[in-house]
Amino acid sequence: GAGVSQSPSNKVTEKGKDVELRCDPISGHTALYWYRQSLGQGLEFLIYFQGNSAPDKSGLPSDRFSAERTGGSVSTLTIQRTQQEDSAVYLCASSRLGAGARGEQYFGPGTRLTVT
Amino acid sequence: EDQVTQSPEALRLQEGESSSLNCSYTVSGLRGLFWYRQDPGKGPEFLFTLYSAGEEKEKERLKATLTKKESFLHITAPKPEDSATYLCAVSELTGGGNKLTFGTGTQLKVEL
Repeated sequence: GAGVSQSPSNKVTEKGKDVELRCDPISGHTALYWYRQSLGQGLEFLIYFQGNSAPDKSGLPSDRFSAERTGGSVSTLTIQRTQQEDSAVYLCASSRLGAGARGEQYFGPGTRLTVT
Repeated sequence: EDQVTQSPEALRLQEGESSSLNCSYTVSGLRGLFWYRQDPGKGPEFLFTLYSAGEEKEKERLKATLTKKESFLHITAPKPEDSATYLCAVSELTGGGNKLTFGTGTQLKVEL
């Protein structure tokens, strides 16, 4: 079946502009995660959605970052007033099992964001 | 705070030269330890999940093992197509969700 898809694959934006990144999870997966991968650093957790529960936003680095998940499927990560330090690869993952479970996460190809 | 340390940072092997990658972790309660493979420009590809000390899993030339403090990814007779970055991650038993804490990876290069 289809895997996790993300769009756009690459995004170049000017400092101060807002950007939206999209994630389509695997059909039937109830949990959705956003991570960020910066050059030379490990993947960093940003936010987690599980069903209709309130999202876990504990990893968002600032209030310029927000995310939503509509209809329990597609998710959008929004970065407002982008800064150069926001340049990174943003990865989305989905999992068939959610809170309290041990399900492995399947990752999309990522969106490479460059802030000039 | 969960911590994951991978070593070595980079490893160069000749085809057929077996070796092991290390993942040391600190977590208050381990829900699971995950190994992923990441090729340049792509998202991580799931390999294994280990849940308890003593557990082992195998897939082709790869074998993952787990103790209470670390995990090893053994690569037997590697081929050039095994070249990639191997990532280790843990999820904590307490708290909600299954968010992963990743190490910075081991970049493996297998040469002919």
